[in-house]
Amino acid sequence: KQEVTQIPAALSVPEGENLVLNCSFTDSAIYNLQWFRQDPGKGLTSLLLIQSSQREQTSGRLNASLDKSSGRSTLYIAASQPGDSATYLCAVHSNTGGFKTIFGAGTRLFVKA
Amino acid sequence: DTGVSQDPRHKITKRGQNVTFRCDPISEHNRLYWYRQTLGQGPEFLTYFQNEAQLEKSRLLSDRFSAERPKGSFSTLEIQRTEQGDSAMYLCASSFPDRGPTGELFFGEGSRLTVL
Repeated sequence: KQEVTQIPAALSVPEGENLVLNCSFTDSAIYNLQWFRQDPGKGLTSLLLIQSSQREQTSGRLNASLDKSSGRSTLYIAASQPGDSATYLCAVHSNTGGFKTIFGAGTRLFVKA
Repeated sequence: DTGVSQDPRHKITKRGQNVTFRCDPISEHNRLYWYRQTLGQGPEFLTYFQNEAQLEKSRLLSDRFSAERPKGSFSTLEIQRTEQGDSAMYLCASSFPDRGPTGELFFGEGSRLTVL
């Protein structure tokens, strides 16, 4: 059974700091992994999608890496800004035992001005 | 087309009443997904459609829940005889699986249900 864990659960950093959010998964048989951002009371906004054959994806100040063999992904945010404050979720798409998209519980990020 | 649209955004109902949520996916997306999210948790998969066919349902989708996508475009999620435990955010997502079996998921703003 696929399980997705995100560490830390919450993080508070000063503006301008570079930071790393972690996502780990137990079953490496995945199609892809997707990172999302969620603001309070809102839906999820897609940030990056990494295919299982890829090692990383970049978009602006965001860089996501994937190490399937160790069951890990990281989301790197460079030069954090107060507007980055949100919950960041990773989702693993797999087909083990039927279609499954398993989400982590998220990391709540607060960037202090 | 500005993205996935969900209606209503908020619904307050009394226990035992029926509620229906609607989702309009991104127009060229042939896959549509329903998820449920409670406070502090990640979304949990409920069901998904490819075109009008409902291909998978989670065990979370009890007999009181039914989802349809009659013409392969919009979808509805109905909850009958609501219970307080149904209170959650119901999220809809769509994708066009051009990059692998799932493609990139795009979510709507969600429909928040409160059962009194």
